[in-house]
Amino acid sequence: DAGVTQSPTHLIKTRGQQVTLRCSPKSGHDTVSWYQQALGQGPQFIFQYYEEEERQRGNFPDRFSGHQFPNYSSELNVNALLLGDSALYLCASSLYGSVSSPLHFGNGTRLTVT
Amino acid sequence: DAKTTQPPSMDCAEGRAANLPCNHSTISGNEYVYWYRQIHSQGPQYIIHGLKNNETNEMASLIITEDRKSSTLILPHATLRDTAVYYCIVRVAGGGSNYKLTFGKGTLLTVNP
Repeated sequence: DAGVTQSPTHLIKTRGQQVTLRCSPKSGHDTVSWYQQALGQGPQFIFQYYEEEERQRGNFPDRFSGHQFPNYSSELNVNALLLGDSALYLCASSLYGSVSSPLHFGNGTRLTVT
Repeated sequence: DAKTTQPPSMDCAEGRAANLPCNHSTISGNEYVYWYRQIHSQGPQYIIHGLKNNETNEMASLIITEDRKSSTLILPHATLRDTAVYYCIVRVAGGGSNYKLTFGKGTLLTVNP
C-alpha cells in the first residue's frame, strides 16, 4: 500500500520563475492538502483540495495555486518565486468527512529559490 | 483550533520511557488531541490521537488529564530512531476540517545512547 508520494524531492529555481510540485495521495484517500515548512518552523497550511475544488485556504497569496485531478492527485503551483518561498513543501492526504481520521504526509519537496 | 504549549527540547536515555508533555488549556469539548512526529528530512508521521480517554497503540500511549487541559505522550522504550520533533496538535474533528492542522514548533526529543 503506497503512502503519499511527492515529486520532485529537490528543486532549485531562480527568483521570478514558476514551479509545479506534484503529489499522489495514499490509496483510498480523496482529499489532498498542502503545507509549507520553513527551516526550523512547523508546517503551515496552504490549502486543501477535495472533488477537484479548493475547499479552504490558509494565509498565502494568490501566487500559490493548486489543482486536483480526477484520480485525486494534486499539483501545487507557485508563480513569481521569491527568496522567502524557499522551504519544504509537504503534501498530506486524508479521507474527506472521516471523523478524526489522521492526515498522512509525504516526505516533501525541498524548494530552494536563488 | 486551541493552541498548545510544549517544551522546546527534551532528552531521554535509550531504553527508558520518554514522557512528552503538552498543555492545551483552551481546548473545547469537540477537539481531539493529536500527536505527530517529524524525523529530520521526512514528512510528519502520525502517532496517536484521543478525545478524553487514554489511548494506546503500537507506537505510544496518550494520557489525557480529566479536565483535558493537558496531555502526555509516552514512548515506553525509546530508541535512537525516536529522535525527532514531536508536535502536539488540537483540532476539531469531522466534517471538512480534518485536513487542516495548526503546527507549533514542537518538542525536539533527543534519545541518547
